[in-house]
Amino acid sequence: RKEVEQDPGPFNVPEGATVAFNCTYSNSASQSFFWYRQDCRKEPKLLMSVYSSGNEDGRFTAQLNRASQYISLLIRDSKLSDSATYLCGNTDKLIFGTGTRLQVFP
Amino acid sequence: DTGVSQDPRHKITKRGQNVTFRCDPISEHNRLYWYRQTLGQGPEFLTYFQNEAQLEKSRLLSDRFSAERPKGSFSTLEIQRTEQGDSAMYLCASSLPRGGLNTEAFFGQGTRLTVV
Repeated sequence: RKEVEQDPGPFNVPEGATVAFNCTYSNSASQSFFWYRQDCRKEPKLLMSVYSSGNEDGRFTAQLNRASQYISLLIRDSKLSDSATYLCGNTDKLIFGTGTRLQVFP
Repeated sequence: DTGVSQDPRHKITKRGQNVTFRCDPISEHNRLYWYRQTLGQGPEFLTYFQNEAQLEKSRLLSDRFSAERPKGSFSTLEIQRTEQGDSAMYLCASSLPRGGLNTEAFFGQGTRLTVV
């Protein structure tokens, strides 16, 4: 089993929609995680970190569920500019999932 | 520019040739990571360093791949006897963990390798 797994998508949503991605992890010792955003043919950039208390930044909310070993990312009021691939990774080894592709349409 | 830099940005090589890539991390960062990424996939972990020590190497990495970070600053990734399947983007990232945990890792723009 891969250490971090994601649904590759794509998720196609209209502008203004709320969309949620999940990421599951296999190593119960992992304490915290990242969500990175990667635009086409660009390097990944940090979106937010996720600790036990979760994290919220504007339209983005990330939660960590240790009992079920998954991390979620919620995007509210989707914008066209949110179209990208969202990578989930653990903070200890920086192991990433395959990424979830989001496409927001007008 | 004080970010992570990688050189070259693009490399085209013939099958069977050796190639070497360089990564210069953010200067105070003691951790350095190498990844390989193909289209539609996330970054696949290859190896990482804490200062000059190579702490982990992916089991998926064949013996043709080797990485060094001799002085704990820049790092090189060498691929010997390249194969067409090695064609990918090679990403480098660096970080400065606090309390053993990474708070953020910064990526370079990558080296795109094409093996013909």
